[in-house]
Amino acid sequence: DAKTTQPPSMDCAEGRAANLPCNHSTISGNEYVYWYRQIHSQGPQYIIHGLKNNETNEMASLIITEDRKSSTLILPHATLRDTAVYYCIVRVAVLGGGSQGNLIFGKGTKLSVKP
Amino acid sequence: EPEVTQTPSHQVTQMGQEVILRCVPISNHLYFYWYRQILGQKVEFLVSFYNNEISEKSEIFDDQFSVERPDGSNFTLKIRSTKLEDSAMYFCASSDPHRTSRGGYTFGSGTRLTVV
Repeated sequence: DAKTTQPPSMDCAEGRAANLPCNHSTISGNEYVYWYRQIHSQGPQYIIHGLKNNETNEMASLIITEDRKSSTLILPHATLRDTAVYYCIVRVAVLGGGSQGNLIFGKGTKLSVKP
Repeated sequence: EPEVTQTPSHQVTQMGQEVILRCVPISNHLYFYWYRQILGQKVEFLVSFYNNEISEKSEIFDDQFSVERPDGSNFTLKIRSTKLEDSAMYFCASSDPHRTSRGGYTFGSGTRLTVV
């Protein structure tokens, strides 16, 4: 089962920041927080991930609380094309050995960006 | 940007028939995965594959399913004796072990399997 809790849906106005929360109160010290999104019926798309520090890339920013029990994905200027289901996933990252800590998807947050 | 390629995009099969779903992972990736998504439901993990063998599988991945890497580029999922409830989107994914702690998976665009 997914170890995260997300609101089922959110709306955001086009051009505004979208802030998607995620609770992962049982996260372990060696688990990362990953965010993926799925636009309509396409394959999930990697967005960003982090361990404990805040992260930023060309798509989004990830803010992780100091106790690591929750995080927020920020899309700074949401567009209509950002309408998707956003998944927050915690996962152990293990080098080598054949186990990569498989992604376990929950129900995610359906983000609707409106004009 | 490298892509994971899946074929066919849509397959219709009769109940009881065997189907093979094909995937070409990203060339320097070593870990391969199959996931499925029944319409309106969650994306579900089926199996992971590394070093020419299954490394993990879910309870969904029973004897009806098998995976194979028949050559250096393809990764296939075979479903024997398909059932109506096998109708779903099937996603292939691959990942790069050298980016385990930095990057993520790359998913293909999926094969929609319809069992009639």
